[in-house]
Amino acid sequence: IAGITQAPTSQILAAGRRMTLRCTQDMRHNAMYWYRQDLGLGLRLIHYSNTAGTTGKGEVPDGYSVSRANTDDFPLTLASAVPSQTSVYFCASSLTGNTDTQYFGPGTRLTVL
Amino acid sequence: GQNIDQPTEMTATEGAIVQINCTYQTSGFNGLFWYQQHAGEAPTFLSYNVLDGLEEKGRFSSFLSRSKGYSYLLLKELQMKDSASYLCAGLDSNYQLIWGAGTKLIIKP
Repeated sequence: IAGITQAPTSQILAAGRRMTLRCTQDMRHNAMYWYRQDLGLGLRLIHYSNTAGTTGKGEVPDGYSVSRANTDDFPLTLASAVPSQTSVYFCASSLTGNTDTQYFGPGTRLTVL
Repeated sequence: GQNIDQPTEMTATEGAIVQINCTYQTSGFNGLFWYQQHAGEAPTFLSYNVLDGLEEKGRFSSFLSRSKGYSYLLLKELQMKDSASYLCAGLDSNYQLIWGAGTKLIIKP
């Protein structure tokens, strides 16, 4: 693979279910990010990781958790999905941090019913 | 609070020039990014300005005025493939990225 991938591409989920969105990059980037994008709103940062083993909360972290066990993978988990989490989720990575270009994955379209 | 303002939607004609403005209010400033996002796709990097002035990259140019808290993206010789949303994002003093809602650019033949 080259770049950053996300899985699944789309998902319909019943409210209350647990869901993990996967993100993998092969660029050896230190920093990774999870955003949600809703119509009429800008990208909103959910969680980020500046380097493997560390994570931080973004603007809208409630209801989401992340882990960064290694450089390449940064999964996002919804412990108990709610309809307001219906959104398009983008994973991104950058070489060291926010002053670097962010490279985005293709996105996951999640619908919570 | 911190804020990035850009027009919601703009329309332009193929072959013409269009300027997409972005004003920012951030606590401190460490640079401004422009990204392009085609419908249903991921954002892709266009430019990063940290100093005042105009930076040109082919048909696209980006301008920054730090004293005015203002940037614009200039697209020349518009092509139909330029129909997309253009996202402005500013870096504040803590190096947090503040994203605008994006400007949807519609190109008409």
